[in-house]
Amino acid sequence: ELKVEQNPLFLSMQEGKNYTIYCNYSTTSDRLYWYRQDPGKSLESLFVLLSNGAVKQEGRLMASLDTKARLSTLHITAAVHDLSATYFCAVDTSFGNEKLTFGTGTRLTIIP
Amino acid sequence: DSGVTQTPKHLITATGQRVTLRCSPRSGDLSVYWYQQSLDQGLQFLIQYYNGEERAKGNILERFSAQQFPDLHSELNLSSLELGDSALYFCASSEQGKKSQPQHFGDGTRLSIL
Repeated sequence: ELKVEQNPLFLSMQEGKNYTIYCNYSTTSDRLYWYRQDPGKSLESLFVLLSNGAVKQEGRLMASLDTKARLSTLHITAAVHDLSATYFCAVDTSFGNEKLTFGTGTRLTIIP
Repeated sequence: DSGVTQTPKHLITATGQRVTLRCSPRSGDLSVYWYQQSLDQGLQFLIQYYNGEERAKGNILERFSAQQFPDLHSELNLSSLELGDSALYFCASSEQGKKSQPQHFGDGTRLSIL
C-alpha cells in the first residue's frame, strides 16, 4: 500500500525566512502534485511534477522531484503572510491521472 | 474558480439518514473523483468515474455509492449515516489520462451528522 508522508506537520516561520517541506512516498512513481488549501476551502493546484529532476517555480514557491529517492520538496523563499495555508503533496501510481494518494499535509503559519 | 461545482455546500442531518451530494465537472472533463477529508483520516480517495463508468475504487464504504450520468455530472450517495461520516467531501475532475494536468477540486460539501 502506498504511503505518503510529509514533514513537518506544522510549521511556524517568520516573514522573510526560507524553509522546505518534505514529501516522501513509498512506491515508485513519476507523478507528484502539490496543492494548497486555505482553512475550510478547496484545494488549489500548485505544481505538477512528472519526471526525475523536475523543478517548477511560481513566485516564492519552488517544487522539485527526485524519483530515485522517492522525495519531493516544496521550498519557500522569503515567506510572506499570504503563504499561510496547508500544503499537500499527492502521488499518482496509476496509469494516468487517476487515484491520488495524499500526504498528511503541512500547516504553514507565517508570523509577521 | 476551478469550474467544478458541488452542491449543497453544507448538509446537516441525523444518524441513520441518507443524503446525496452532487458534482458538476469542468467543461470537457470526463473523469470525476470523490474524496473525503476528515481530521482523523486526512484526505482519502473514494471513487472515480470516467464517462459514466466506474474506473477506480478507494476506501469507499459499502454504505456509500456513486454514479456518473450521461451529462457527466456525478452524485455520491451516503446511507445509514454514522457520526464518523461527518467530513468535508470533495469532488474533482480532470481530463482522463492527461497526467500533466492536475485534478481540479470543487469547494466541497461539509456534511455534519448530529
